[in-house]
Amino acid sequence: AQRVTQPEKLLSVFKGAPVELKCNYSYSGSPELFWYVQYSRQRLQLLLRHISRESIKGFTADLNKGETSFHLKKPFAQEEDSAMYYCALSNNAGNMLTFGGGTRLMVKP
Amino acid sequence: NAGVMQNPRHLVRRRGQEARLRCSPMKGHSHVYWYRQLPEEGLKFMVYLQKENIIDESGMPKERFSAEFPKEGPSILRIQQVVRGDSAAYFCASSPPNAPYEQYFGPGTRLTVT
Repeated sequence: AQRVTQPEKLLSVFKGAPVELKCNYSYSGSPELFWYVQYSRQRLQLLLRHISRESIKGFTADLNKGETSFHLKKPFAQEEDSAMYYCALSNNAGNMLTFGGGTRLMVKP
Repeated sequence: NAGVMQNPRHLVRRRGQEARLRCSPMKGHSHVYWYRQLPEEGLKFMVYLQKENIIDESGMPKERFSAEFPKEGPSILRIQQVVRGDSAAYFCASSPPNAPYEQYFGPGTRLTVT
């Protein structure tokens, strides 16, 4: 069975501080992992995929198969980063996403 | 492209009534997914449909819940004889046929059962 765990429900940091949102997964196959973000009063949207290895809005995430983790990082948080962040794992067929419980990031001025 | 549309945005039903939730995928998308988000929890996969076919319904409750995606018109998630525990946000997503993992989400329908 596939599972995604986000251990922190809430993460509060000051503007300019580094941010790390934790995500751990369990999956028997070759995982494909994603981070989704939901800003206030907006719909859930894809932030980044591990396979593309890109940086979006200053965020990066590295897949660590040894630790089964896919933590989301940003060196300097901005107030506009405040949102709900969801880590998600795709099954081998790529047609089902398993989401973590989400972490609310609050960036204080 | 208007994105994934869901209606209604809010739905209130009394126990025992039926709830019908609609989802129109993005233009060009032939794959539709439904997710449920209970209060204080993450999104949970319910069902994956293509036009006129249910591909994976492993996340659907065995009773009272059904989904369809007809040849014409929106996808419908139907909940019969609703109970208080069905109160949740229901999200629909769609994806293009060549990238099923690239899901675009609708704004959700918040169902409240009184």
